[in-house]
Amino acid sequence: DTAVSQTPKYLVTQMGNDKSIKCEQNLGHDTMYWYKQDSKKFLKIMFSYNNKELIINETVPNRFSPKSPDKAHLNLHINSLELGDSAVYFCASSSGLAGVTDTQYFGPGTRLTVL
Amino acid sequence: QKEVEQDPGPLSVPEGAIVSLNCTYSNSAFQYFMWYRQYSRKGPELLMYTYSSGNKEDGRFTAQVDKSSKYISLFIRDSQPSDSATYLCAVKRQAAGNKLTFGGGTRVLVKP
Repeated sequence: DTAVSQTPKYLVTQMGNDKSIKCEQNLGHDTMYWYKQDSKKFLKIMFSYNNKELIINETVPNRFSPKSPDKAHLNLHINSLELGDSAVYFCASSSGLAGVTDTQYFGPGTRLTVL
Repeated sequence: QKEVEQDPGPLSVPEGAIVSLNCTYSNSAFQYFMWYRQYSRKGPELLMYTYSSGNKEDGRFTAQVDKSSKYISLFIRDSQPSDSATYLCAVKRQAAGNKLTFGGGTRVLVKP
């Protein structure tokens, strides 16, 4: 059973398009995250949600909009895609926020290529 | 300057050798330290977690933290080809919404 799953795995699209990436976790966790990993493997947090409430909102263009319909899902919608958005996007989840050992479990990633 | 610095490698070692990986961080407010392993085309997975200066062992893996120098290390003993991966260090502050700040990762190749 996959703990944190993402769809699609690969996404190739043209500049200017709008696209969504979906994430689901079956771990019963309260907190979910989106990370962006660039071509140099640098992994940076974008957003986190706890019980459907936005907790972390890093300096991310407002073309990126996360949506959490319930605790088990966190989707990422990207408007007006740009070349610089090409990266691997990882979803993660953890049981909470406050525990010092709240391990984050990562999904397999979505490789986005903007042409 | 990035908050967490890590040599990107690649680091190539023969099977059975000790792999030594390092990170430095800039802010003494970081109190929790992690090492993640990431295989090619996969998501990162947690290897080690520590929050105090000193050593922590788990099987072939030893994590070492020196808070006075803001320096963290990971040692892999008796390295295996299956250890070939990118190793990412991560740090976090207390009460920061569980926000992890990652280093850029070091690619390790263990040759049979």
